[in-house]
Amino acid sequence: NAGVMQNPRHLVRRRGQEARLRCSPMKGHSHVYWYRQLPEEGLKFMVYLQKENIIDESGMPKERFSAEFPKEGPSILRIQQVVRGDSAAYFCASSPEAGVGNEQFFGPGTRLTVL
Amino acid sequence: AQKVTQAQTEISVVEKEDVTLDCVYETRDTTYYLFWYKQPPSGELVFLIRRNSFDEQNEISGRYSWNFQKSTSSFNFTITASQVVDSAVYFCALSLYNFNKFYFGSGTKLNVKP
Repeated sequence: NAGVMQNPRHLVRRRGQEARLRCSPMKGHSHVYWYRQLPEEGLKFMVYLQKENIIDESGMPKERFSAEFPKEGPSILRIQQVVRGDSAAYFCASSPEAGVGNEQFFGPGTRLTVL
Repeated sequence: AQKVTQAQTEISVVEKEDVTLDCVYETRDTTYYLFWYKQPPSGELVFLIRRNSFDEQNEISGRYSWNFQKSTSSFNFTITASQVVDSAVYFCALSLYNFNKFYFGSGTKLNVKP
């Protein structure tokens, strides 16, 4: 049973370009979460999605960031017009269902570097 | 508001020493879950333990043990007889009942020297 898959593992973009980060949850998991880890910091919640729905996007920056989890295919975190401050590790997690204290299984992360 | 504090930014020990990583949390909710994750140098997050707010029993798993005290809002993690492979960043996290986001502490970097 494959774990949470994220690709690419490393992504380099120049300022102003777009970054697309992909996350395939574990088999049977329909809940996806994105977190951002700035250098030397802990993970910060960004967004929680179920298939075709955004449930909680309270941690998403208001501009340039968007996320989706279509009926088919991976979840995508999209960052438009990247800036140096977007350089971070972006982790995706998945869980089998919503509710109390479900363990979230984390992917290996995508490390975004903005030049 | 929820908050997790890991006051120890970095700890260095010599192999075979015992080490305790502190975690203090804040929440007004009475039902919540606490977690510990390990992040080795390779960068992935490895789940270590989950504990709910109604279960204050200490837990031991091999060289790892956890001390949960609601009275002090702490969930501390002890590694006995540390090994070089324990070198990593350790994160404590909190999630609330029926909420699906985790609140992470800033992490404690543990360096175990041979």
